[in-house]
Amino acid sequence: SQKIEQNSEALNIQEGKTATLTCNYTNYSPAYLQWYRQDPGRGPVFLLLIRENEKEKRKERLKVTFDTTLKQSLFHITASQPADSATYLCALVASYNTDKLIFGTGTRLQVFP
Amino acid sequence: EPEVTQTPSHQVTQMGQEVILRCVPISNHLYFYWYRQILGQKVEFLVSFYNNEISEKSEIFDDQFSVERPDGSNFTLKIRSTKLEDSAMYFCASSEGGSVGWGELFFGEGSRLTVL
Repeated sequence: SQKIEQNSEALNIQEGKTATLTCNYTNYSPAYLQWYRQDPGRGPVFLLLIRENEKEKRKERLKVTFDTTLKQSLFHITASQPADSATYLCALVASYNTDKLIFGTGTRLQVFP
Repeated sequence: EPEVTQTPSHQVTQMGQEVILRCVPISNHLYFYWYRQILGQKVEFLVSFYNNEISEKSEIFDDQFSVERPDGSNFTLKIRSTKLEDSAMYFCASSEGGSVGWGELFFGEGSRLTVL
């Protein structure tokens, strides 16, 4: 069956460290993968998009990698801050013929001072 | 900064009633979407809308649901004969153009629907 999985356990890290979140998928060959941030009771906010032919994308303190062999995307936040505490969602677009985003369950990140 | 706005922020309704959730997408965006998130669960795609018609819908989006763009600014989701399991946060989103993979989706803050 098709699955997109993120660590359900919260990730707790100290301020200033690098947070690494994992997104694994099964039985998809996604055209694109996106990462969103979601704060409690609020809508997702877009962070980064990476295409199937791209290995890595960066934006300020954020970096995303995409390994189509491992069927995995990693999302990194360097020099993390308490304000980065939120749930991070990965979402894939299954093919070039669809508008549908398929979301993972998200990983809650807690950055403590 | 332009944003997607949704009303109401919270609606409580009795089972069997009809509800309409309203959204004002970003003005120059062409693609519109509804997603929902049941408490503690994943964000799920419901429907996409382009050029005044549904372009894609999920298996959740059955005859109980409908969408409409009644004028140049609003985008609505109608849920007929609500059921307890329709209780969720409903998110409207819009994107500038092309398939969703070409860029970001802008989500609204959501409308929380509680069916009693």
